[in-house]
Amino acid sequence: SQQGEEDPQALSIQEGENATMNCSYKTSINNLQWYRQNSGRGLVHLILIRSNEREKHSGRLRVTLDTSKKSSSLLITASRAADTASYFCATRRSNQAGTALIFGKGTTLSVSS
Amino acid sequence: ETGVTQSPTHLIKTRGQQVTLRCSSQSGHNTVSWYQQALGQGPQFIFQYYREEENGRGNFPPRFSGLQFPNYSSELNVNALELDDSALYLCASSREAAIPYEQYFGPGTRLTVT
Repeated sequence: SQQGEEDPQALSIQEGENATMNCSYKTSINNLQWYRQNSGRGLVHLILIRSNEREKHSGRLRVTLDTSKKSSSLLITASRAADTASYFCATRRSNQAGTALIFGKGTTLSVSS
Repeated sequence: ETGVTQSPTHLIKTRGQQVTLRCSSQSGHNTVSWYQQALGQGPQFIFQYYREEENGRGNFPPRFSGLQFPNYSSELNVNALELDDSALYLCASSREAAIPYEQYFGPGTRLTVT
């Protein structure tokens, strides 16, 4: 079953614009992570935010976390054509045996030049 | 790129056949997780191996089985293949109890069942 649900499912923007993707999840978490996937290849870890953090930055990425609303957002500023990919949020439940990640369905971002 | 490798890259099998997919974990990692990603969906957790033992399993039938070897590499075996098994299979390695926890993914094996 999916834990996180990303919104929107697809997003098309021009180079230089900002892209915002949202993720909602269902159960309590230790942390939330965002991954990127280029055209059906492996996933690349982008950023992790812990449950006691509200905001985190990494280069052009800004992630927020609202545990009261069980939601997170990923902002990519000054987007580039190379940012074209699918983006997934993933959670690791705090009481889960093992350390599996539970992924949402993803947001497909298309950046045109 | 991560240090996680998978083989083969692509595979075509017939319904009812069996398949073995392989994964070499990143150096220093003792945990391997396997995921199935259907087209247009997010990865779904199949199972995880830690120190050669299964350490958690998702909602997949017993015909999905695995192994982890002393060097922490891993295999995913699927018996009696069905058309719905067509997907990208991803493995990810990690260090159990690492803080913060992060998984490193391989490039995946694309399995097509006809």
